[in-house]
Amino acid sequence: DIVMTQSPTSMSISVGDRVTMNCKASQNVGSNVDWYQQKTGQSPKLLIYKASNRYTGVPDRFTGSGSGTDFTFTISNMQAEDLAVYYCMQSNSYTFGAGTKLELK
Amino acid sequence: QVQLKESGPGLVQPSQTLSLTCTVSGFSLTSYSVHWVRQHSGKSLEWMGRMWSDGDTSYNSAFTSRLSISRDTSKSQVFLKMNSLQTEDTGTYYCARNWDWALDYWGQGVMVTVSS
Repeated sequence: DIVMTQSPTSMSISVGDRVTMNCKASQNVGSNVDWYQQKTGQSPKLLIYKASNRYTGVPDRFTGSGSGTDFTFTISNMQAEDLAVYYCMQSNSYTFGAGTKLELK
Repeated sequence: QVQLKESGPGLVQPSQTLSLTCTVSGFSLTSYSVHWVRQHSGKSLEWMGRMWSDGDTSYNSAFTSRLSISRDTSKSQVFLKMNSLQTEDTGTYYCARNWDWALDYWGQGVMVTVSS
């Protein structure tokens, strides 16, 4: 099974910060990584697909990059409404990272 | 608009079978695949399986022996059946639509507790 190691587990951030999190795949997954946002009590929401493509309606402060085994997700100008847990997922065989929880400093 | 909604019993006894239904609207099951994903409370997400648009199925090997996914296209429903439930199967179960190998629309989830 492909393991997605996501880091960090949590981050304390302030509004306006640049936030970066990472996912490392245990084997080459090409560009088949997506990023999801899950707010408390809600279902996950697709933000980035195929490593770097912003899904319809997703603000451009959210970006993704990477290929092969190393992937990065960035929020360029953190907003209060972005407080959530973020998950990476590889879509070759569908496994998720453990999540990165964003909390206010 | 696209919607998915899970339904099923909130409480299942250990060793019994879980039966869930995902009712979709706004798209056809013969054009899009539907996945099942579960989440233990406060934990990450776990892919369970997929009903392909052509009726084929794929399963997470961790569940293969006790999981079955089927559908009724006339009712726009996808079904999940999992037997031999244990307390570790407690969690929220989601169905989600496949789009370009990502999961673009998710249901609200149904919480299932396995307890006697």
